[in-house]
This record gives sequence, structure tokens and C-alpha cells, in this order.
Amino acid sequence: GQSLEQPSEVTAVEGAIVQINCTYQTSGFYGLSWYQQHDGGAPTFLSYNGLDGLEETGRFSSFLSRSDSYGYLLLQELQMKDSASYFCAALVYGGSQGNLIFGKGTKLSVKP
Amino acid sequence: GEEVAQTPKHLVRGEGQKAKLYCAPIKGHSYVFWYQQVLKNEFKFLISFQNENVFDETGMPKERFSAKCLPNSPCSLEIQATKLEDSAVYFCASSQSIGQGGNEQFFGPGTRLTVL
Repeated sequence: GQSLEQPSEVTAVEGAIVQINCTYQTSGFYGLSWYQQHDGGAPTFLSYNGLDGLEETGRFSSFLSRSDSYGYLLLQELQMKDSASYFCAALVYGGSQGNLIFGKGTKLSVKP
Repeated sequence: GEEVAQTPKHLVRGEGQKAKLYCAPIKGHSYVFWYQQVLKNEFKFLISFQNENVFDETGMPKERFSAKCLPNSPCSLEIQATKLEDSAVYFCASSQSIGQGGNEQFFGPGTRLTVL
């Protein structure tokens, strides 16, 4: 089957750095996306890795290694507002496929 | 518009009743996706469209679920004869493309369906 694995919960303090790992097993894998969701609201796009390596966007960075079927999201200088759920999602594309397959999400709690 | 719009925000149905949800994608986006999220857990992909054509329907429970994206109308997701297990938040998303630049999906606020 198609699946993505990520930790269910992570706790960190304000100002710290946290890394959320994601391993995937999918067919038709095209790239890895990360989404943030606050308390069941609309998920918001954070980053996408189509190629191996690191993508940096402000305080957030994302990494992909296709050979290891692995990626991570790195959040730096944590702020209280970063408390949310973070989902990795594999873009599967090709043949009759064209959609995102999501992990179960990692709930990040940022403490003062 | 600049945001994905979904209506209604909340929908309550008795078991066996029909439910219809609507989505207006961002103007200029060619792809529309429907996802189901149960209890703030993982998102289950249902169906995607490229303009008015079905692109990927591998996640669609075909017996009771149907969806359309017609020109000049909001897209719709319809559930015939709802069951308790259909209670979830249904998110619609749109994107400019798939598999190229601009493939990030923008999500609407969701429709919370409660089946009693």
C-alpha cells in the first residue's frame, strides 16, 4: 500500500530548532510536500521538494532523499504560533494518479 | 477569487439522507482535489479534476459518492445515503498544475459533515 510515517507528537521550547522526519512508501512518487494545520483549520502549504536536497524558506527548511525514501521539515527559532499539526504529503503523479497522500500528522507543541 | 471557497461550513444530515458540498477553486487553477479528514487525522484523497474532467478517482467510494466540476459552476461532491462513518471534514484544494512548478495545493476552509 501507499503510506507515510511521521512521529505523532513533538514538544520543543520557544527559540529552539525541531526536525520532523517523514519516511514514505508510495508508487508514482513525484515529490514531497509539507503542510501546516492549526486546530483543524485549512491546511497551508509550507514547502515542496521535487529534487533531492534542501529547500529553505525563511525559518522553515525541508529536505528530501529519494534513495532513502526520507524527508524532513526543519523549523528554526520556534515561536508559540508554530504550535500546530504538520503533515508530510507525497505527490503521486503518473498514469491515472494525480493527488497527495498524507501522513497522519505530527502535533508540535511549543512551550515558553 | 484568490482563495478556495467551500460551502456550507457545516452540514448535518440524518443517516440515509443526501449531502451535497460545494467548492469554488482559485481563479486560474486547473486542478481541483477533494480530501476527507476524520477526527483531525490523516487526509484521505477522494478525487481530483483537471478542469471539468476527472483526473484521478482512485480514492472515491463509488457506491455512494459522486463529484462534478462543470464549467462556470462550483465543483460539487455528493454523498447519497449518508452513513455515520461519513462524518468528517471535507476539504477542497486547487492548484495550477500537477508535477510541475506551481503544484502546491491551496486548501479551502472545509465543510464539516455530521451524520446523525
